[in-house]
Amino acid sequence: DVKVTQSSRYLVKRTGEKVFLECVQDMDHENMFWYRQDPGLGLRLIYFSYDVKMKEKGDIPEGYSVSREKKERFSLILESASTNQTSMYLCASTWGLSYNSPLHFGNGTRLTVT
Amino acid sequence: DQQVKQNSPSLSVQEGRISILNCDYTNSMFDYFLWYKKYPAEGPTFLISISSIKDKNEDGRFTVFLNKSAKHLSLHIVPSQPGDSAVYFCAASGGQGAQKLVFGQGTRLTINP
Repeated sequence: DVKVTQSSRYLVKRTGEKVFLECVQDMDHENMFWYRQDPGLGLRLIYFSYDVKMKEKGDIPEGYSVSREKKERFSLILESASTNQTSMYLCASTWGLSYNSPLHFGNGTRLTVT
Repeated sequence: DQQVKQNSPSLSVQEGRISILNCDYTNSMFDYFLWYKKYPAEGPTFLISISSIKDKNEDGRFTVFLNKSAKHLSLHIVPSQPGDSAVYFCAASGGQGAQKLVFGQGTRLTINP
């Protein structure tokens, strides 16, 4: 079974702090994703990566950056956290980008910025 | 602009009855649709999908129906079980695979014993 592990379940950070959210997958998947989930808005794509050191912006990349130095690890970085980045963050991976390769999600990190 | 809409935030159904979750979309370029299920404190898990060349796909108790002319899809769960209580997200893609999935807002399904 695919395992996508997010390092923190809950995080509380102060406005202006630099925040790192870490995600590791154990199935040698090429593609990794970061989403945020907000009530009434569903899941929105922040960034995705289709290979080591390769990344593309999703629908809401502003205020975020990502890093993929190794195939199994995909980090989401909030350079200067703001209160409107309080959210549930979900990491996902998949082996391909075709229709028959559904996303496998981690359990999420609930980030609160005060 | 919400391209994929789940207009019912919540739904309550008696155990053993049919649960019907609905999803509407606006983009006629969408050609593949998926449903994900999410339990509290867990990530979403893939449930079932359908291509636009079909109007129905069935997997055990779960059936997804697609009405392209109405830009509407629905997920039927028969019979509903307490373990089906979860948030259900529909998602749509328009030819570019997983990286261009657009998700709906989610519907919380509660199955009452």
